[in-house]
Amino acid sequence: DQQVKQNSPSLSVQEGRISILNCDYTNSMFDYFLWYKKYPAEGPTFLISISSIKDKNEDGRFTVFLNKSAKHLSLHIVPSQPGDSAVYFCAASSYGGSQGNLIFGKGTKLSVKP
Amino acid sequence: NAGVMQNPRHLVRRRGQEARLRCSPMKGHSHVYWYRQLPEEGLKFMVYLQKENIIDESGMPKERFSAEFPKEGPSILRIQQVVRGDSAAYFCASSPDRGQPQHFGDGTRLSIL
Repeated sequence: DQQVKQNSPSLSVQEGRISILNCDYTNSMFDYFLWYKKYPAEGPTFLISISSIKDKNEDGRFTVFLNKSAKHLSLHIVPSQPGDSAVYFCAASSYGGSQGNLIFGKGTKLSVKP
Repeated sequence: NAGVMQNPRHLVRRRGQEARLRCSPMKGHSHVYWYRQLPEEGLKFMVYLQKENIIDESGMPKERFSAEFPKEGPSILRIQQVVRGDSAAYFCASSPDRGQPQHFGDGTRLSIL
């Protein structure tokens, strides 16, 4: 049973446009969410996180939106750059992340075309 | 580079041998996590350790797998009597405290012949 779902395996976007990556979760106990970016043969790199007490968090070109009633979050990247091409993972945790174990989605491969 | 250091980057073992994967957390981080990633899958949590203590091992297979994080030295993930199904990328992450974002190493790719 997959508790964190990224239903789009891939996404292609033109450079300069907005990239929107989506993530759905089923466990209502999740209250802390993170996005990671991963290049081939490297480890995931932390991008941005959001606590369930917020509905939006912004850091430079990256914004995460959380819709608790829909159990849905999204990562917006604007403007998209070719260097953003990578696999993006959504992850969730309970108890404010203090539980330690992150539950990951399967990832969405983003391709940003020049 | 003060990031999470994992070694070796690649490890090849024959069935029945032992595999030892090492992880040195970021400076100042005392919480370590191990994850496994199978091809085309997301990362799956295995174990969460703090210095000398296992906090949560709910994702660890009951047999053949063990982990430690001694007072001195790196964290070790040990797999005894490896089988083909153990082939995967194993990632270690660390954080300064509970509830803080986890920062990952570049992983160890384990291949079982």
